Amino acid sequence: DADVTQTPRNRITKTGKRIMLECSQTKGHDRMYWYRQDPGLGLQLIYYSFDVKDINKGEISDGYSVSRQAQAKFSLSLESAIPNQTALYFCATSDTGGAGNEQFFGPGTRLTVL
Amino acid sequence: GENVEQHPSTLSVQEGDSAVIKCTYSDSASNYFPWYKQELGKRPQLIIDIRSNVGEKKDQRIAVTLNKTAKHFSLHITETQPEDSAVYFCAANPTSGTYKYIFGTGTRLKVLA
Repeated sequence: DADVTQTPRNRITKTGKRIMLECSQTKGHDRMYWYRQDPGLGLQLIYYSFDVKDINKGEISDGYSVSRQAQAKFSLSLESAIPNQTALYFCATSDTGGAGNEQFFGPGTRLTVL
Repeated sequence: GENVEQHPSTLSVQEGDSAVIKCTYSDSASNYFPWYKQELGKRPQLIIDIRSNVGEKKDQRIAVTLNKTAKHFSLHITETQPEDSAVYFCAANPTSGTYKYIFGTGTRLKVLA
């Protein structure tokens, strides 16, 4: 969905480096999410935010931090990257209103930590 | 803790045959169960979902069934086509967060021509 964008799309970095992944959306959704995808492990929730002042930890938040700079922007940071953070990272958004709304995913960022 | 188990991890079927993927969830209060399809190199996209107040939902060749008592739900794809080849993820919303999901580990479906 072109309405959810992620930058960069690919990144190679070294152990110990700080890195930021950015997500922007033009869908006007309040809720935003960061997931990590590893082969055989599905999609694991790192952090989520239901509005600009709301930040919540997901299943695997250790080693990560996030910032919700505006309704449309949600960034994920790795303060000191380590090799086991090598993975495919997805941002997603969903609308407010009744339980269980569809989540719209960005194109993903492939991160390699050497 | 909250958990969603998905089986099988890989599934190969002949074109035209049916495919069934099964998921089991642990939180009896979960009330929304989406299925996502992820083609190679692409983002996951919703293909069908079901809420706990219905037992079955169908959309053309795709259907989902839900058994709340047993806490499991299944994706059924009939008359499979090569373009159905992808990874499929089930998910459920845990009681602790209505608007977030716990995903299954995925099923890689291969439709053989």
